[in-house]
Amino acid sequence: AQSVTQLGSHVSVSEGALVLLRCNYSSSVPPYLFWYVQYPNQGLQLLLKYTSAATLVKGINGFEAEFKKSETSFHLTKPSAHMSDAAEYFCASYGGGYQKVTFGTGTKLQVIP
Amino acid sequence: SQTIHQWPATLVQPVGSPLSLECTVEGTSNPNLYWYRQAAGRGLQLLFYSVGIGQISSEVPQNLSASRPQDRQFILSSKKLLLSDSGFYLCAWSVAGGFNSPLHFGNGTRLTVT
Repeated sequence: AQSVTQLGSHVSVSEGALVLLRCNYSSSVPPYLFWYVQYPNQGLQLLLKYTSAATLVKGINGFEAEFKKSETSFHLTKPSAHMSDAAEYFCASYGGGYQKVTFGTGTKLQVIP
Repeated sequence: SQTIHQWPATLVQPVGSPLSLECTVEGTSNPNLYWYRQAAGRGLQLLFYSVGIGQISSEVPQNLSASRPQDRQFILSSKKLLLSDSGFYLCAWSVAGGFNSPLHFGNGTRLTVT
């Protein structure tokens, strides 16, 4: 069954530094992958999705993710962190059943001034 | 445009009391509907999903149930709450049949069972 694994439950970066949040997927079929962001006490907001049209996917708020089939990875990056990026980030995929979406365990991003 | 409404935003209920959380979607027809629970320090757990009126798939056996009485209405219920039912409950919808269709989430309900 399709599943995703997020490495690192907490990541800290300095303001202005590169943000790298890791996600690996497991499946033998082309995946349908997403990144979401959650601010405290709010629902999840879509950052970007992989459509198989391009391996580098650009999302909102300056985030992007690169699909690497050889590494079964879909890591999320942002060149320069802002204080407003502090939130929890979730990688997700369809799989494991019709119309089911499963989520990784999440990575909390802390941005240090 | 499509919107999703979820209420109440917060709820404090005693153990053994009933529960009813409601979610409605506007601006789309025949959406897939989902209930997730997010417990403290844990990821999102899929509880139920529905691909049509009266069609409910349960992911986790527990004392919760879901119903879809109308196309764009999804209700999460319990007859008797347990302490372990505390958490952040999220409703979401997606376009039916679209594997590239992302989930769109409501703002969630914070449930505390005392």
